[in-house]
Amino acid sequence: DAGVIQSPRHEVTEMGQEVTLRCKPISGHNSLFWYRQTMMRGLELLIYFNNNVPIDDSGMPEDRFSAKMPNASFSTLKIQPSEPRDSAVYFCASSLRQAIGYTFGSGTRLTVV
Amino acid sequence: DQQVKQNSPSLSVQEGRISILNCDYTNSMFDYFLWYKKYPAEGPTFLISISSIKDKNEDGRFTVFLNKSAKHLSLHIVPSQPGDSAVYFCAAKNSGGYQKVTFGIGTKLQVIP
Repeated sequence: DAGVIQSPRHEVTEMGQEVTLRCKPISGHNSLFWYRQTMMRGLELLIYFNNNVPIDDSGMPEDRFSAKMPNASFSTLKIQPSEPRDSAVYFCASSLRQAIGYTFGSGTRLTVV
Repeated sequence: DQQVKQNSPSLSVQEGRISILNCDYTNSMFDYFLWYKKYPAEGPTFLISISSIKDKNEDGRFTVFLNKSAKHLSLHIVPSQPGDSAVYFCAAKNSGGYQKVTFGIGTKLQVIP
């Protein structure tokens, strides 16, 4: 099992550009989460999918952020347009619905200059 | 509003001694608590958990204590080893709802050889 796979590992982009982060969850997991880590706020839940359906997107900061899960093996988090304050590490995690804990990917470090 | 609070951003401990990481929560609906460990450039990994029906859970060198009346939990690592140096996240969830897990901002532990 390759675990949760995120790409890219690092992304540097200019303010105003569109950024797309990608995630492949563990096969068979039916829950997927996008988290953002910052020094000030720690790990914040952005959005939660269950069986490819968005269940809770209350953590998505604003309309510039959008997430999709077109199938059970792929999800994207898009920021358009990006701003310097979006700079953070973005984690994707997956689990079985009743699992105790999540399995996290290695994260994407986003820098918006 | 941080529902899971880790008030110590960092902690240094000598190798062989006990490390105690503390966590407070405010949401009375939380009934399941988790600790995650995170190394640099990696995603958080699940370490240990405790249900609100217990006050202690032990796994090798790691023990989590829960004080429901004080809404406080702690992670004890004994003896501490240099490989334990990492960021530790306290997390909590309401098992009656969907799986949303709320994380604290983390405590960076350094174990000095």
